[in-house]
Amino acid sequence: AQSVTQPDIHITVSEGASLELRCNYSYGATPYLFWYVQSPGQGLQLLLKYFSGDTLVQGIKGFEAEFKRSQSSFNLRKPSVHWSDAAEYFCAVTRNQFYFGTGTSLTVIP
Amino acid sequence: DAGVIQSPRHEVTEMGQEVTLRCKPISGHDYLFWYRQTMMRGLELLIYFNNNVPIDDSGMPEDRFSAKMPNASFSTLKIQPSEPRDSAVYFCASSLPGSEQYFGPGTRLTVT
Repeated sequence: AQSVTQPDIHITVSEGASLELRCNYSYGATPYLFWYVQSPGQGLQLLLKYFSGDTLVQGIKGFEAEFKRSQSSFNLRKPSVHWSDAAEYFCAVTRNQFYFGTGTSLTVIP
Repeated sequence: DAGVIQSPRHEVTEMGQEVTLRCKPISGHDYLFWYRQTMMRGLELLIYFNNNVPIDDSGMPEDRFSAKMPNASFSTLKIQPSEPRDSAVYFCASSLPGSEQYFGPGTRLTVT
């Protein structure tokens, strides 16, 4: 069965530190991959997406993600976190149907 | 484009009342999705439409919930009768085939 796993429910990082949020998927074929961010009280906003080609994808707000087929992963990274990055992050996959992960809540401490 | 539009943004109602949530997808998008988000259960897909036709409603909690899409630019999610456990944020999203979903701002429903 297709699924998306975000192993970390909650992560805390210091402002200025690097960030990596994990996402693993289980899918028959290579799916299309997405990361969304949800700030408190807001809807989900697309950060970046991977369909094909270069496995390192750049997104908005300084985020990037790397698709690793061998590991069935699509981890989100940011070299230096800002306090405004505190939010909920969702990984999602689609080929025919859309599947969201359970989300990772990010807290940024000064 | 104005993006996905949802109304109302907030709804407070009493138990037993009928609630209707509305969504206008992005023009040209073939797919429309309804989600519910709570602290306990996270983001749940309730139902989705393709070209105005419901494709998968397996996420609809029970018969009290119904969704319609009478045309390509409008969809409703109705709860009748509403219960306190229906309190949640309801999101509508739309997309092109095999592409990213664009989310509306959500409707925060409180049932007292």
